[in-house]
Amino acid sequence: GAGVSQSPSNKVTEKGKDVELRCDPISGHTALYWYRQSLGQGLEFLIYFQGNSAPDKSGLPSDRFSAERTGGSVSTLTIQRTQQEDSAVYLCASSLYRTGKLQYFGPGTRLTVL
Amino acid sequence: QQQVKQSPQSLIVQKGGIPIINCAYENTAFDYFPWYQQFPGKGPALLIAIRPDVSEKKEGRFTISFNKSAKQFSLHIMDSQPGDSATYFCAARKAGGTSYGKLTFGQGTILTVHP
Repeated sequence: GAGVSQSPSNKVTEKGKDVELRCDPISGHTALYWYRQSLGQGLEFLIYFQGNSAPDKSGLPSDRFSAERTGGSVSTLTIQRTQQEDSAVYLCASSLYRTGKLQYFGPGTRLTVL
Repeated sequence: QQQVKQSPQSLIVQKGGIPIINCAYENTAFDYFPWYQQFPGKGPALLIAIRPDVSEKKEGRFTISFNKSAKQFSLHIMDSQPGDSATYFCAARKAGGTSYGKLTFGQGTILTVHP
């Protein structure tokens, strides 16, 4: 596609449920990043993929959060046993460069945990 | 620990004015400083970026000024237009290591440009 796509665009779930968020990066982009944006806050780094491996998972808030990337393309962020504090917009970005320059962001998934 | 501090939180200017958004960082290992623009319901879009060996960079109506000794950088928007109303984020990247590419963002500035 022309840009980074994310699905779903909105997700409402009940506390304790598991959710999966999907990111389709720009074709050919080897670097992929997940960030979280809470209401009125800046973006918080979660995890970085280079190809299918994740050299930096340091931003994942707890072991309820995990992510994978397959085929060097699509990535899925999974949140288990969701909590209300997980409510945020989850943004994915991809880049042709592992240096982090020219990161292109998707529109995000707005997650609401009731 | 917030490593990039951004101010002001919000800013209102008249059309044609020059809003200035400031950022300060602590970590001298940062080596790349981009600015992003975000409209409601959209993901951030890269506006302009600068390296610490450059004191100023212009792209169209957007200018970054960089003061390495003060560890500060700022975004100036010349001849601002109502269409520039958006949230602006500064960011910084630390060179090298497994965190290569990870951006640390400021808290954002909501800019409103009145017609």
